Amino acid sequence: SQQGEEDPQALSIQEGENATMNCSYKTSINNLQWYRQNSGRGLVHLILIRSNEREKHSGRLRVTLDTSKKSSSLLITASRAADTASYFCASRSTLGRLYFGRGTQLTVWP
Amino acid sequence: GAGVSQSPRYKVAKRGQDVALRCDPISGHVSLFWYQQALGQGPEFLTYFQNEAQLDKSGLPSDRFFAERPEGSVSTLKIQRTQQEDSAVYLCASSRRLGSHEQYFGPGTRLTVT
Repeated sequence: SQQGEEDPQALSIQEGENATMNCSYKTSINNLQWYRQNSGRGLVHLILIRSNEREKHSGRLRVTLDTSKKSSSLLITASRAADTASYFCASRSTLGRLYFGRGTQLTVWP
Repeated sequence: GAGVSQSPRYKVAKRGQDVALRCDPISGHVSLFWYQQALGQGPEFLTYFQNEAQLDKSGLPSDRFFAERPEGSVSTLKIQRTQQEDSAVYLCASSRRLGSHEQYFGPGTRLTVT
């Protein structure tokens, strides 16, 4: 069963705009990860934020984590057409299995 | 190798047929995971290996699903007597060791059961 939920389910923006995706999860976590999946491809790890961190940056990506609300957000700044993909948050069990949400489908129009 | 590879990339099976899906993890990676991704959904965990040991198979949906990794490298996911609800993309991922946070995913095998 899915352990997290992303919203929105779909997001459509113009190039240059910022894209914000949110994720809620159900259980306690040690860290939360975000993955990207291009159509017909495998998932690519984007960024990891630990439970004791509130914000993390990597290039055009900014992730926040609020453990009290069991939620996280992913911000992509100055989006590009190449950012078009599905984005998933995932929490990790002790043994390593990942629990994914349903994902947000982001479309960036040139 | 350069990354995780999976074969075949696409498989069409008639209901009732058996299928075998192969995963070649990144060389030296100890941990190997299988996930099932239905259309429009996120991946769902199936099973996990550390070397050749299958440590968690709690996600396998039925006893028709079987996975093995006999020599601790290549893994095969076998589905017996396929059903239409088995249609999905099957993703394999590997990571360096048990405690590694990042998993490297293959491109997946899209299984369609007709």
